[in-house]
Amino acid sequence: AQSVAQPEDQVNVAEGNPLTVKCTYSVSGNPYLFWYVQYPNRGLQFLLKYITGDNLVKGSYGFEAEFNKSQTSFHLKKPSALVSDSALYFCAVRDIEGDTPLVFGKGTRLSVIA
Amino acid sequence: DSGVTQTPKHLITATGQRVTLRCSPRSGDLSVYWYQQSLDQGLQFLIQYYNGEERAKGNILERFSAQQFPDLHSELNLSSLELGDSALYFCASSVATGGFYEQYFGPGTRLTVT
Repeated sequence: AQSVAQPEDQVNVAEGNPLTVKCTYSVSGNPYLFWYVQYPNRGLQFLLKYITGDNLVKGSYGFEAEFNKSQTSFHLKKPSALVSDSALYFCAVRDIEGDTPLVFGKGTRLSVIA
Repeated sequence: DSGVTQTPKHLITATGQRVTLRCSPRSGDLSVYWYQQSLDQGLQFLIQYYNGEERAKGNILERFSAQQFPDLHSELNLSSLELGDSALYFCASSVATGGFYEQYFGPGTRLTVT
C-alpha cells in the first residue's frame, strides 16, 4: 500500500529565510511524487512532480524538491521565503506500477512571518 | 484558474436531505476524481471515473454515489446527509488515469449540513 507522511503540521519561517517542508513516502515499487499548494478558500494547485531522472525538481513560484530514494523522502524547498508563500502544502505519491489513485499526506501549514 | 469548474460554490442544507455537486473537467481530460476535505480527516479520496467508467473507489460512504456523463462532466450525489458530511468537496481532473499525470483541482464546493 502507498502512504505519505508529512511529519510537521506547521512550519514557521521568517521572510527571506530558506524553507523546507518535509515529506516521506512508502510505495512497493518506484514512486511518482507530487507537491500541491492550497491557499485559503481555494482548490489545490500543482507545484511540481518527480517522475525520473534528476533528483532535484524545479517547480512553480521558485519552489524545488529533492528526491532521495535511500531516505524515501521528497522535501519541498525554497531558498528565500515570501509572506505570500503562506499556505497549506500537500505531498502526494503514486506507485509507477499499476493504476492506483494518488495518495495525499495530511498537509503542512507554512507560515512566513514578515 | 485550473480549468476545472465546480458548482455550486456553497451549499447549505439540512440533515436527511440529498444534494448533487457538479464538476466539469479541463478540456481534454478524461479522468475525474472526487475528494472530501475536512479539518479532522484531511484530504480523502472518494472516487475516480475515467471516460465514463468507475475506475477506483476510496473512502466513499454508501450514501454517496457519483457518475460521469458522456460529455465527461461528473456529479457527486450525497444523500441522507448528516452533520459530519459538512466539508469541502473537490473535483480534480487529469488527462489520463494513473501514471505521472498531475491532477488539476477545481475551487471546491463547501457543503454545510445543519
